[in-house]
Amino acid sequence: AQTVTQSQPEMSVQEAETVTLSCTYDTSESDYYLFWYKQPPSRQMILVIRQEAYKQQNATENRFSVNFQKAAKSFSLKISDSQLGDAAMYFCAYRRMDSSYKLIFGSGTRLLVRP
Amino acid sequence: GAGVSQSPRYKVAKRGQDVALRCDPISGHVSLFWYQQALGQGPEFLTYFQNEAQLDKSGLPSDRFFAERPEGSVSTLKIQRTQQEDSAVYLCASSFRDRSYNEQFFGPGTRLTVL
Repeated sequence: AQTVTQSQPEMSVQEAETVTLSCTYDTSESDYYLFWYKQPPSRQMILVIRQEAYKQQNATENRFSVNFQKAAKSFSLKISDSQLGDAAMYFCAYRRMDSSYKLIFGSGTRLLVRP
Repeated sequence: GAGVSQSPRYKVAKRGQDVALRCDPISGHVSLFWYQQALGQGPEFLTYFQNEAQLDKSGLPSDRFFAERPEGSVSTLKIQRTQQEDSAVYLCASSFRDRSYNEQFFGPGTRLTVL
């Protein structure tokens, strides 16, 4: 069975600084997707960034980028120029590429942004 | 509507009561998912529909949980004889097609509190 682990329950960053959130996962599959979701207090889960395992190039979306290390099964999220609006719970998630479409989430990291 | 909607947003039930949680997916979305998110945890998969067919219900924790999507649009998650351990946020997500990658769009969730 696939598992996703986020070992940082909470992280804090100064506004305008950079922070990295860690995620490791376990799977025997060779092709899959990885995601980072943001969940603000409103509870609406928002997709931040995704990575296809077959792509070697790390995904980037504006201030958000990932460091995908397939052999190490590591998938960290880097947030540059942190903003107050980035404060939220961040969940790492895994999804198989075949017909099992459910998302498997980690336990989350709460990100605090200090003004 | 523009996004996935869920109702009610909050539900308080006495132990032993039956509850029904509603999800309105984005119009035209074929796939619909239910997740359960306990306090301080990541969401966990409950069940998956493709149109009106329930293709995966492996995550339903007991036979007290029942989900349906009779016309392939609105879905209802029913919990019979609620217990305190059922207290959680129930998230619904929908996606456009039944393919390996399609983004899951999440609703705001229903927070269920069982007293």
